[in-house]
Amino acid sequence: SQTIHQWPATLVQPVGSPLSLECTVEGTSNPNLYWYRQAAGRGLQLLFYSVGIGQISSEVPQNLSASRPQDRQFILSSKKLLLSDSGFYLCAWSVLAGGTGLRFFGPGTRLTVL
Amino acid sequence: KNQVEQSPQSLIILEGKNCTLQCNYTVSPFSNLRWYKQDTGRGPVSLTIMTFSENTKSNGRYTATLDADTKQSSLHITASQLSDSASYICVVREGGSQGNLIFGKGTKLSVKP
Repeated sequence: SQTIHQWPATLVQPVGSPLSLECTVEGTSNPNLYWYRQAAGRGLQLLFYSVGIGQISSEVPQNLSASRPQDRQFILSSKKLLLSDSGFYLCAWSVLAGGTGLRFFGPGTRLTVL
Repeated sequence: KNQVEQSPQSLIILEGKNCTLQCNYTVSPFSNLRWYKQDTGRGPVSLTIMTFSENTKSNGRYTATLDADTKQSSLHITASQLSDSASYICVVREGGSQGNLIFGKGTKLSVKP
């Protein structure tokens, strides 16, 4: 069966510090991978998605970046965090092509920027 | 603009009672509508998916309905349990090659003993 991992589970970082969140998927090959952010009182916002190694599409201009160094690894980064980067970050995967839009979400990372 | 609106924003019910959550959308073209359950501090998990031709679909104590004419969906929970306490998110998939997902803000349900 497929499993998706995210770490860390929680993170408290000062403004201006760097960020690295990691997501790995097990039990599937060539998945589509996604990073979402969920802010309080708002719906899930798609930040990045990837259809393959080294292929990243950005949905929202911001100071975050994403990388996919391996087929089942997706990393979310920032060089300098802003207060507005606080939120719940969710990694997700889906089948590569076709499908119904079903997303399998990871357990999430709660990021607080102070 | 494609939007998904959910109501109520939050809801408190007693254990054993029924409740209905609403989802209205303006997404066009339409592909499907999915309900997710998100426990606090966890990722969302799919409960059910509705396509254009489906009116009702059940998953245990959860029953989803879809009226494609009025662009409304509901999620009915029967005989609620404490474990039903969660946020319920309505997600509509656009039709076409892109198939973008439009997320509602969710309804936070609290089931009290």
